[in-house]
Amino acid sequence: SQTIHQWPATLVQPVGSPLSLECTVEGTSNPNLYWYRQAAGRGLQLLFYSVGIGQISSEVPQNLSASRPQDRQFILSSKKLLLSDSGFYLCAWSGYRSLSSYEQYFGPGTRLTVT
Amino acid sequence: DQQVKQNSPSLSVQEGRISILNCDYTNSMFDYFLWYKKYPAEGPTFLISISSIKDKNEDGRFTVFLNKSAKHLSLHIVPSQPGDSAVYFCAATSPLLMDSSYKLIFGSGTRLLVRP
Repeated sequence: SQTIHQWPATLVQPVGSPLSLECTVEGTSNPNLYWYRQAAGRGLQLLFYSVGIGQISSEVPQNLSASRPQDRQFILSSKKLLLSDSGFYLCAWSGYRSLSSYEQYFGPGTRLTVT
Repeated sequence: DQQVKQNSPSLSVQEGRISILNCDYTNSMFDYFLWYKKYPAEGPTFLISISSIKDKNEDGRFTVFLNKSAKHLSLHIVPSQPGDSAVYFCAATSPLLMDSSYKLIFGSGTRLLVRP
């Protein structure tokens, strides 16, 4: 069965510090991968998605970036965090070109607090 | 521009009764709709979905209804249980993109409380 991991689970970082959040998927190959952010009391906002190694699509202009160095690894980064980057970050995967590729499955999330 | 709207931020029901969660959308090109359930500090879990070619899909205590003419869908939970207390998000898929991916567009969520 497929599993998706995210780490760290929680993170407290000062303004201006760098960020690296990691997501890995097991039990499937060539998945589509997604990064979402949920701000307090808000819905899920799509930040980036990737359909393959090195292929990144950005949905929202911001000081965050994403990379996909391996098939089942997706990384969210920032060079300098802002207070507004605080939130709950979620990684998700879906099948590639499969009948159910519209169904996305989420990881446990990372709670980021920028102080 | 909110393409998927959940106008009720919260809902409280008695255990054993029916819970009805509503969702409206604006884009007639959406072709698949999903409901997710989310507990605090956890990722959303997929609950049930419906294709735009159907008007009803049922899975145990959960039923999703789709009214395309009204651009409205609803999730019915019968009977409601205290463990159903969570935030429920509806989502809609964009049409298949050139890179063979789908994007999910989420509503803002409805917090359901089932009282024992």
